[in-house]
Amino acid sequence: GAGVSQSPSNKVTEKGKDVELRCDPISGHTALYWYRQRLGQGLEFLIYFQGNSAPDKSGLPSDRFSAERTGESVSTLTIQRTQQEDSAVYLCASSARTGKEQFFGPGTRLTVL
Amino acid sequence: AQSVTQLGSHVSVSEGALVLLRCNYSSSVPPYLFWYVQYPNQGLQLLLKYTTGATLVKGINGFEAEFKKSETSFHLTKPSAHMSDAAEYFCAVSLGDSSYKLIFGSGTRLLVRP
Repeated sequence: GAGVSQSPSNKVTEKGKDVELRCDPISGHTALYWYRQRLGQGLEFLIYFQGNSAPDKSGLPSDRFSAERTGESVSTLTIQRTQQEDSAVYLCASSARTGKEQFFGPGTRLTVL
Repeated sequence: AQSVTQLGSHVSVSEGALVLLRCNYSSSVPPYLFWYVQYPNQGLQLLLKYTTGATLVKGINGFEAEFKKSETSFHLTKPSAHMSDAAEYFCAVSLGDSSYKLIFGSGTRLLVRP
């Protein structure tokens, strides 16, 4: 079956612009996660959704970052007024329910010039 | 607080040689431990995981890892490296079955020499 998909695969933007990153989880997965992977580093947890609610947003780096999820489907991570330090690969994962194996998408590589 | 330390950002082995990737963790509660592999331009794929029970865990592609509580370690091994094993490997820890958050190490890039 289809895995987790993310779009776009690459995004280049200018400093100060807003960007939206999309994640399509595996059908039927109720839990969805966003991580950030900076060059040469491990993944940092950003936010977690159970259904369309986000019990934990503590990993979002600043108020420029926000995310939403429609039902138990697509999620969008929005970064407003992008800064160069936002350049990273943003990875999405989903799991059948909280605590179960997380399946990762291929990521969106964001470059802020 | 939980944390994961992976010793060596790069490990180079010859094809056919033993692969050993080191992972140490800290956790205030019994952890769940994971190894993920990331091939270029792809997402992370679960190699193996330890939850409870047998401390030697076997995963895909001939990899295995042993949970050693006394050493707070979960090192990944493979008896004989293949060229196709070249990738980045991440160790991660979570707080157990109800936990949603994975804490990752910084990764180890495995290079396999012909």
